[in-house]
Amino acid sequence: QSVLTQPPSVSGAPGQRVTISCTGTGSNIGAGYEVHWYQQLPGTAPKLLIYSNTNRPSGVPDRFSGSWSTTSASLAIAGLQADDEADYYCQSYDSSLRGAVFGGGTKLTVL
Amino acid sequence: QERLVQSGAELKKPGASVKVSCKASGYSFTGYYIHWLRQAPGQGLEWMGWINPDSGGTNYAQKFQGRVTMTRDMSISTVYMELSGLRSDDTAHYFCTREEMGVRRYWYFDFWGRGTLVTVSS
Repeated sequence: QSVLTQPPSVSGAPGQRVTISCTGTGSNIGAGYEVHWYQQLPGTAPKLLIYSNTNRPSGVPDRFSGSWSTTSASLAIAGLQADDEADYYCQSYDSSLRGAVFGGGTKLTVL
Repeated sequence: QERLVQSGAELKKPGASVKVSCKASGYSFTGYYIHWLRQAPGQGLEWMGWINPDSGGTNYAQKFQGRVTMTRDMSISTVYMELSGLRSDDTAHYFCTREEMGVRRYWYFDFWGRGTLVTVSS
């Protein structure tokens, strides 16, 4: 049981836009701790995609965007491409657990 | 360029210990926390703890306290994660990753090692 809640899977056709939600509680997202997103391609290590709710590291296309509200966050991927097929994880800090917490991951399928 | 190079795959028997290394290069070793996470086959990411390579200070997830030890060797810019009392459900890929030190902590991980597969089987 993951601390942050994500949908297990989402799908979309090439060129479409999809969103992945991430819901937390009052000791993590709800307490104001930032949400970060990672992309994990099959057989590889996770890669930072979005940090501090809305920021893209250098080299991440602007097709990827993050948003945040009181106790949840979302990752949006526009203009879906075949190589976007991956697992996506949200992550934050939890003050009760005093460490990093993750969502269970969302598998994106490009139809 | 920045690199986090992890040691190779390990096969261990239940009850044994494993020590995984993570060698940093291409950046200031003492400027970033090193965190360890793991991922069981087909499962999500689980945070285990961090070490401050500068001070040697550590903080472990409650789940692993008493079983995990993180250390560092500053002379070779390497951190280690040792997990004892291995069980079959410790079978996982173990990743080292880094978090930049600063005035405040943001708890995001901007660069990752490739992972080390630890298999626990009799």
